[in-house]
Amino acid sequence: ETGVTQTPRHLVMGMTNKKSLKCEQHLGHNAMYWYKQSAKKPLELMFVYSLEERVENNSVPSRFSPECPNSSHLFLHLHTLQPEDSALYLCASSQDRVPESYNEQFFGPGTRLTVL
Amino acid sequence: GQNIDQPTEMTATEGAIVQINCTYQTSGFNGLFWYQQHAGEAPTFLSYNVLDGLEEKGRFSSFLSRSKGYSYLLLKELQMKDSASYLCAVLDSNYQLIWGAGTKLIIKP
Repeated sequence: ETGVTQTPRHLVMGMTNKKSLKCEQHLGHNAMYWYKQSAKKPLELMFVYSLEERVENNSVPSRFSPECPNSSHLFLHLHTLQPEDSALYLCASSQDRVPESYNEQFFGPGTRLTVL
Repeated sequence: GQNIDQPTEMTATEGAIVQINCTYQTSGFNGLFWYQQHAGEAPTFLSYNVLDGLEEKGRFSSFLSRSKGYSYLLLKELQMKDSASYLCAVLDSNYQLIWGAGTKLIIKP
């Protein structure tokens, strides 16, 4: 495997379910990100981890719970979601959180989440 | 507040040239990125500008004017595979990426 991978690619869940999204990066990067992408809206940054420590939490509802057990893996635990949470959830990684020079982010293919 | 503006959708003809504009108002500036995103796929990095001027990379070029808070992405010799969304993003003073909503580019034969 190379780059950034995400599983599952598609997920349908009820509002009372608990599920988890998984992200893995094979690039040796130190920073990982969760984004939410809704149709015709800008990417919304949800969480940032740098060297396995959460450095940002952009006012995300507590029904979304991130976990970063090591620098290669990132999870997003979901519980009691709402239909408006249906979106594409993208994981990304970059070499460092605060760059000395430009610091492009590498994205995974995303998980298409539908909440019924 | 912070804001990135780009057109929602553009249409162009195969073989032609298209310019996608992006204007921004952010707290600080540490560079501007352009990403390409095909439908159902991950965004992929196209270019980065931090100094004023034009950066050319094959058929794609990106321009920046920091004083005007303005950038554009220029695509030459358009191919059908260039049909995608193009995302503009600015790195603010906290090194957080502020994203535009993206421009959907439709290429017609």
